[in-house]
Amino acid sequence: AQSVAQPEDQVNVAEGNPLTVKCTYSVSGNPYLFWYVQYPNRGLQFLLKYITGDNLVKGSYGFEAEFNKSQTSFHLKKPSALVSDSALYFCAVRGRFDSNYQLIWGAGTKLIIKP
Amino acid sequence: DAGVTQSPTHLIKTRGQHVTLRCSPISGHKSVSWYQQVLGQGPQFIFQYYEKEERGRGNFPDRFSARQFPNYSSELNVNALLLGDSALYLCASSLLAPEELFFGSGTQLSVL
Repeated sequence: AQSVAQPEDQVNVAEGNPLTVKCTYSVSGNPYLFWYVQYPNRGLQFLLKYITGDNLVKGSYGFEAEFNKSQTSFHLKKPSALVSDSALYFCAVRGRFDSNYQLIWGAGTKLIIKP
Repeated sequence: DAGVTQSPTHLIKTRGQHVTLRCSPISGHKSVSWYQQVLGQGPQFIFQYYEKEERGRGNFPDRFSARQFPNYSSELNVNALLLGDSALYLCASSLLAPEELFFGSGTQLSVL
């Protein structure tokens, strides 16, 4: 069965420090991987995706994520956190050959950046 | 350009009633997906439509149905509402999977 795990309910980081939000997945075959962000009272926004190619993917707002096939992980990173990065972050996965086109989502990680 | 629009934004129903939620995708997007998001959880996939045909269905009962119209807008229908159907219902549009999804702000459904 396909699944996504975001092991941390909440991550606290001081402004200016690097941040990492963890994601591991289980899917049949090669995955499509995504990160989305949800700000309070706003809809989900796309950050970045891994389809194929370079394992390091760069996305919006200075975020990047590294695909690690052996560890089945797709951790989200940013070199220097901003207070405005505080939000709820979701990792999602779909099997490349999933005929159901179903995107499986993690439970989310609340990121809090303290000034 | 307008983003994905959903209506209504909030809805209160009682158990056993029926509800219809509406979604207009971004102009040019032919794919619409529906998700249910319960507080504290990630979105759960309900349906995906592309070119008016159902392309994917999540693990939801037959009380949930949807359709896509020639202008690519979509409706999600839920019959015989249960208390557990209370959630934020999100619509997303895309050009074609696995392209990035563009989400609407959702419809908050409360079933009393």
